[in-house]
Amino acid sequence: GAVVSQHPSWVICKSGTSVKIECRSLDFQATTMFWYRQFPKQSLMLMATSNEGSKATYEQGVEKDKFLINHASLTLSTLTVTSAHPEDSSFYICSAGMRDTQYFGPGTRLTVL
Amino acid sequence: DAKTTQPPSMDCAEGRAANLPCNHSTISGNEYVYWYRQIHSQGPQYIIHGLKNNETNEMASLIITEDRKSSTLILPHATLRDTAVYYCILRQYIQGGSEKLVFGKGMKLTVNP
Repeated sequence: GAVVSQHPSWVICKSGTSVKIECRSLDFQATTMFWYRQFPKQSLMLMATSNEGSKATYEQGVEKDKFLINHASLTLSTLTVTSAHPEDSSFYICSAGMRDTQYFGPGTRLTVL
Repeated sequence: DAKTTQPPSMDCAEGRAANLPCNHSTISGNEYVYWYRQIHSQGPQYIIHGLKNNETNEMASLIITEDRKSSTLILPHATLRDTAVYYCILRQYIQGGSEKLVFGKGMKLTVNP
């Protein structure tokens, strides 16, 4: 149990385009999901907390208009990187809480050309 | 900021026990100790967590000192697949897993043949 999936696992896009990443809890419901970003050789940095049915809470320094989060159901949260630029290239990881533990997705590698 | 300190790296021989230390001298009474690991280019994997008693599951054992200022994760028989970055994280307990995790730099464990 406690499986979290992400789609796509990797994506390459041109500068200026938007990219949507999906995060799903496959065998449990999650009222709260989290989005992290990880640059090479660095640790995970929390970007935002996604709450089902309400607005996401963004960490300081994360642009909410650039990283759009939608948590439309108890099993799905999406992160849209709008007008992506090369500096947005990173490893994006989501997590979902079940009971007292967070479980992570496999991550999405975004490369912006 | 992360509230735990770990050595940056450690080596272990395959088949031997790996003892991974973590210091958390400022831990508060309602904070749990969580351990995750991240294998290269994957999302973090939950290992184990505890409050004050020692815990054991199919993956590892967690030993927490009586004053709770430090803990040790034990992998009883390390294999090459245990090579990863291990994160020791403090987290307040909130039902549903809605409290965010703050990742430090973690510790790179290398299991050698």
